[in-house]
Amino acid sequence: SQQGEEDPQALSIQEGENATMNCSYKTSINNLQWYRQNSGRGLVHLILIRSNEREKHSGRLRVTLDTSKKSSSLLITASRAADTASYFCATVNRTGTASKLTFGTGTRLQVTL
Amino acid sequence: NAGVMQNPRHLVRRRGQEARLRCSPMKGHSHVYWYRQLPEEGLKFMVYLQKENIIDESGMPKERFSAEFPKEGPSILRIQQVVRGDSAAYFCASSPDQGGKTQYFGPGTRLLVL
Repeated sequence: SQQGEEDPQALSIQEGENATMNCSYKTSINNLQWYRQNSGRGLVHLILIRSNEREKHSGRLRVTLDTSKKSSSLLITASRAADTASYFCATVNRTGTASKLTFGTGTRLQVTL
Repeated sequence: NAGVMQNPRHLVRRRGQEARLRCSPMKGHSHVYWYRQLPEEGLKFMVYLQKENIIDESGMPKERFSAEFPKEGPSILRIQQVVRGDSAAYFCASSPDQGGKTQYFGPGTRLLVL
């Protein structure tokens, strides 16, 4: 499996429900970030969680990080149709000279009315 | 403050031609990253540049691909003698420093090789 692998690959829920996406990674990280990508568009940064943090909130978003399990989760509460998009986790490795992001394969979220 | 600009947004090339993709980072950002996204996949890192320097090109194919970020002007990703497998979306991102902070992405250039 690849660094930053999301689970599930696809998720379909109704408006108002919560959506939970998980991400696993392999190497030691400096931080982990979640991005959203609408179909055919660029990426929008959602939230960054550092390796020494366990949980972070931003509006309807809640991110957790478990470095012992090398995993993170993104929870979107009270989902809306506008949340329909692909969601990617990306890690910045602790080693190396560059702050390059290593992306997972993404979770495609569909929110229906 | 304009975001990251990329042009063209769409580019069609025939096999064997050259493709030039441009990226203007956000104002004040001196770090540029290029990523490639194949259909239905996540983004893959290609190259990281600062002004006039290539810092990390570990994700760049050894042949046909090159990148630059001159002192003046945009960063350029150049693909020579394109093949169908080069068809993808190419995204540029910029950041103000190397400290692992947020990278701001451009809208991407979608390259189609016929």
